[in-house]
This record gives sequence, structure tokens and C-alpha cells, in this order.
Amino acid sequence: TQLLEQSPQFLSIQEGENLTVYCNSSSVFSSLQWYRQEPGEGPVLLVTVVTGGEVKKLKRLTFQFGDARKDSSLHITAAQPGDTGLYLCAGARNSGYALNFGKGTSLLVTP
Amino acid sequence: DAGVTQSPTHLIKTRGQQVTLRCSPISGHKSVSWYQQVLGQGPQFIFQYYEKEERGRGNFPDRFSARQFPNYSSELNVNALLLGDSALYLCASSFIPGENTEAFFGQGTRLTVV
Repeated sequence: TQLLEQSPQFLSIQEGENLTVYCNSSSVFSSLQWYRQEPGEGPVLLVTVVTGGEVKKLKRLTFQFGDARKDSSLHITAAQPGDTGLYLCAGARNSGYALNFGKGTSLLVTP
Repeated sequence: DAGVTQSPTHLIKTRGQQVTLRCSPISGHKSVSWYQQVLGQGPQFIFQYYEKEERGRGNFPDRFSARQFPNYSSELNVNALLLGDSALYLCASSFIPGENTEAFFGQGTRLTVV
């Protein structure tokens, strides 16, 4: 059972455009993490959000945790080819030991 | 600083064989988790170990087993391999287990079963 639904599944944009990736669930999460993964590599942690309504910025990336802690979004401003990759959201529930991942959003930024 | 290291990076096995994958966590981290990532999917939780004890198990058959050693490194064993076991196996390291603890992943072991 996929607890986290990510959309869109695929996104192809040109350099300089803005984009938003969504991560939605009907379940409440204690925290939510965003990762970026390149082909053949492990996921690299970008950010962890813990508090409902929390907004975190990482250079051109803005992450938001929903007020009810059931959803999150990732917004990229002025995308660059180096942003290309698979973006994964992962939620931790009160049980603590497992991360529940979405299927990911595959982003391609062309020059 | 060394991150999470996994070995081997690539592996080809035939159906019915057994395989052992290895993981060394970040220095100071005491918890190791294993995930399976099939092509086109997000990682799926297999096991978590903390202080050499199993703390959680995902929905995987008994052919999958793991253990953690006193130095906090870990091994994942898969017996009687099936074609469907072909995947990227990821090890994640964290200081302690917990819902707000950040997990750091290794580069993975790509297992191909033929």
C-alpha cells in the first residue's frame, strides 16, 4: 500500500522555469523528508520538516509541510540542469522505524 | 568523513542462489535500515536494526534476513533468489531510530537475478 502519492510522476521543463512537486497522503506523519536521487545512486537527503505549516528554504528550493502534517510540497525556482533527478518524499509515522516513500517525481531540466 | 558504504556495488546471481549484502553506517550511527528499490518505484522498507536487535520488519518473505554486528555494520541475506528480487538494495544509517531522525543512504547494491 502506497501511503504517499507524488505528483506529477514525470516533469520535463526548460532551464529557468519554476516548478512544484506534491506529496499527498491521507495519513498523518511525524516528519517528512525530501530526497533527490540520481540514476544508480542512493537518495540524498535534502530536508526534514517536522512541524505542521513549516516552511524551509534551501537556496532555490522551498519545502512546505501541510498544517495537518498529511502533505508536503517542493517548489524549485529558476530550475537548472543540475536539478535533474528523481525527487522522493518519505514520511515517518509514530511507529518510528520505517520511512514510507512515494514513487517519486522524475525531473528533467534541459538547457 | 565517510558516509554510508555498501558492498558490493553490483552483483549478478542466478535464480535459487543466495546473496549477502553488506553495509557500514556513518561513524557514530547505531541504527541501520535496509530498503529495496525496484525500477520505477520508491524504496520499500525491509528491516531496521538498532543496537544489534531487529526493531522493525517490512512486508517481505522469510527468505530475507539481516543482522547487525557489534561495530554497527550490517548484512542483508536473501535466500532462494527469484527474478523479482532484482532491485537496488539501499542501506540507511541514522544515529538512533525514531520518527524525527534523519536517515542517510548509501549508494546501494544493484542486484540482478537471471
